[in-house]
Amino acid sequence: DGGITQSPKYLFRKEGQNVTLSCEQNLNHDAMYWYRQDPGQGLRLIYYSQIVNDFQKGDIAEGYSVSREKKESFPLTVTSAQKNPTAFYLCASSPLLYNEQFFGPGTRLTVL
Amino acid sequence: KNEVEQSPQNLTAQEGEFITINCSYSVGISALHWLQQHPGGGIVSLFMLSSGKKKHGRLIATINIQEKHSSLHITASHPRDSAVYICAVRAGGTSYGKLTFGQGTILTVHP
Repeated sequence: DGGITQSPKYLFRKEGQNVTLSCEQNLNHDAMYWYRQDPGQGLRLIYYSQIVNDFQKGDIAEGYSVSREKKESFPLTVTSAQKNPTAFYLCASSPLLYNEQFFGPGTRLTVL
Repeated sequence: KNEVEQSPQNLTAQEGEFITINCSYSVGISALHWLQQHPGGGIVSLFMLSSGKKKHGRLIATINIQEKHSSLHITASHPRDSAVYICAVRAGGTSYGKLTFGQGTILTVHP
């Protein structure tokens, strides 16, 4: 089955630790995205990648980092510099940049 | 003021009722999406439209470009329709393609 997988579904970390969220797609999509969702707010774009070995900051990139070494993978690292990391994180992909996006199941990160 | 506003924020209905969720936006767009997010968190796309009206089963989406407004209707609502419904607009102009999301409408349908 083609799709987007994110792991784990729930993640707990202590304050001050970096944590990496996984996103993998087998849709052969060039573009991938990371969004953050907070209660009562719309999804906000953290980073996006148009193609392998290229990525750009979104609207709220501070405290996050990404890499795009393989077409199918776009991991997101939440660093200790992110002041409010507890949130629901969604990964998405699209055939080309800003085509219709397909979303993964999300990872809920809780920093204790 | 957010660029994309949805109303209502919360909606409770009885099974069988006709439901309307509204979305207003303030920017120029190339398309508008309606998305559905189930309690587990995953998001699926319901509609993408740039004019007129689209229908899929019991769901109908309309858009009025001049008034910068879209509605999502659910006919004969069912408890399995309970979810968060999200409106997202696809930018036009120099930011062509970027998505801006509304805050979502939480729909609960009781049997």
